[in-house]
Amino acid sequence: EIVLTQSPGTLSFSPGERATLSCRASQSVSSSYLAWYQQKPGQAPRLLIYGASSRAIGIPDRFSGSGSGTDFTLTISRLEPEDFAVYFCQHYGSSPTWTFGQGTKVEIK
Amino acid sequence: QVQLVQSGAEVRKPGASVKVSCKASGYSFSGYYIHWVRQAPGQGLEWMGWITPQIGDTNSAQKFQGRVTLTRDTSISTAYMELSRLTSDDTAVYYCARENAVTNAFDIWGQGTRVIVSS
Repeated sequence: EIVLTQSPGTLSFSPGERATLSCRASQSVSSSYLAWYQQKPGQAPRLLIYGASSRAIGIPDRFSGSGSGTDFTLTISRLEPEDFAVYFCQHYGSSPTWTFGQGTKVEIK
Repeated sequence: QVQLVQSGAEVRKPGASVKVSCKASGYSFSGYYIHWVRQAPGQGLEWMGWITPQIGDTNSAQKFQGRVTLTRDTSISTAYMELSRLTSDDTAVYYCARENAVTNAFDIWGQGTRVIVSS
C-alpha cells in the first residue's frame, strides 16, 4: 500500500509570499493519478490540481503542481488571504484504492 | 448546477448503524462513480469506498470491509453509505464525492454529514 507523506504539517507565510508544499510517496506512482485538494474550516475539500500539474476548472493560475515518481509539489505563487487553508494530496492506485496524505496547513505568519 | 447534497447530522449509540444519503443533481448520475470519504475531528481524509451507479458495483477499503454497505437508487439519483457496528472511532464527517471519469480525481463533493457516536 502506497503511503503519501506531507511534511511539515504546518507552514507559516505572510500574504503575498510564495508557498511550496511537498507530497512524497512511499514508492513511485503515476503522476496521472496525483491530485491536490484545498480544505477550509467547516467546508468540503475542493479539487485544485489533477494529473499532478493540471488545474481544475475555476482554479486561479497562482496554483500550480509539479513532480513525478515519488516527489510532488504544490506551489502557490503569491498567497492571497483566502489561500490559508489545509492542503491534501491524493493518489489513485491499483485495487483500485485511493490514498490521501495527512495534509499541510498553511497558516498566516 | 452540478451538486451533491447529503442528509443531515446523525447521533448514534455504540453498536448501532447509520445510513447517509447523497443526492446528485445537474448531471447524469449513472455516468460517474460516487466515493465516500470520512474525516475524524481534527484529522485528515480517509477513503472508504466507491459505487458505480450504473450497475451498482462496489469496492471498499480493507479497513471497512464487512462493516460498510454502499447502495444507490438510480430513480432518485441518490447514493447511500451505511456503516454498522459503530464505535466512538467512527465519529466523523462523512463526505460523498464524484469521481471524474477522465482524471480519477474527485471533482464534486457533498457538503458532508456529521455522525456522532456516543453513549
